Amino acid sequence: GQNIDQPTEMTATEGAIVQINCTYQTSGFNGLFWYQQHAGEAPTFLSYNVLDGLEEKGRFSSFLSRSKGYSYLLLKELQMKDSASYLCAVLDSNYQLIWGAGTKLIIKP
Amino acid sequence: TAGITQAPTSQILAAGRSMTLRCTQDMRHNAMYWYRQDLGLGLRLIHYSNTAGTTGKGEVPDGYSVSRANTDDFPLTLASAVPSQTSVYFCASSDSSLEGGDHTGELFFGEGSRLTVL
Repeated sequence: GQNIDQPTEMTATEGAIVQINCTYQTSGFNGLFWYQQHAGEAPTFLSYNVLDGLEEKGRFSSFLSRSKGYSYLLLKELQMKDSASYLCAVLDSNYQLIWGAGTKLIIKP
Repeated sequence: TAGITQAPTSQILAAGRSMTLRCTQDMRHNAMYWYRQDLGLGLRLIHYSNTAGTTGKGEVPDGYSVSRANTDDFPLTLASAVPSQTSVYFCASSDSSLEGGDHTGELFFGEGSRLTVL
């Protein structure tokens, strides 16, 4: 079966750096997405990786290793507003998005 | 710009009743999707439409139907609701189908419709 694994919950301190990992086992691979979802709100797009390596976008960076079936989202200079769930999703060989259950990130002052 | 609008925001429904969740987008996106989100699970695709006039089944289509008569609207109908359909439903759109490489990869989501079936 297809599987996306991410930690259920993480805690970090305001101003610090946090890395949220995502491992996947899917039938084929056509890209990996990260979305942010604040409680009670809609998911919003953060990043899309299709090639190996690091993509940086402001305070957020996303890394992909296709050979390892692994990605991480790196959040720097954490702010209280970064408290949210972070969803990892993989586009499989049938171009269906397979979603992880999300990582709830709690930021403490 | 409205983006994607869903209605209703919240609804309590008696089991056996029918219900249509509405979804409208003003971005002229070709592809639209319906997902359900349940606690502890990832988003699960119910139905999708890569372009007006076509629809397809996702991972959990049973008990749901959709139509795509035009580009903007993509309603989701529950013909006879059951308690297991209690969930938060998200409608989403993308500029083009995720099939093939010609897309930006970004899905735009509506604010969600919280449905409780008793």
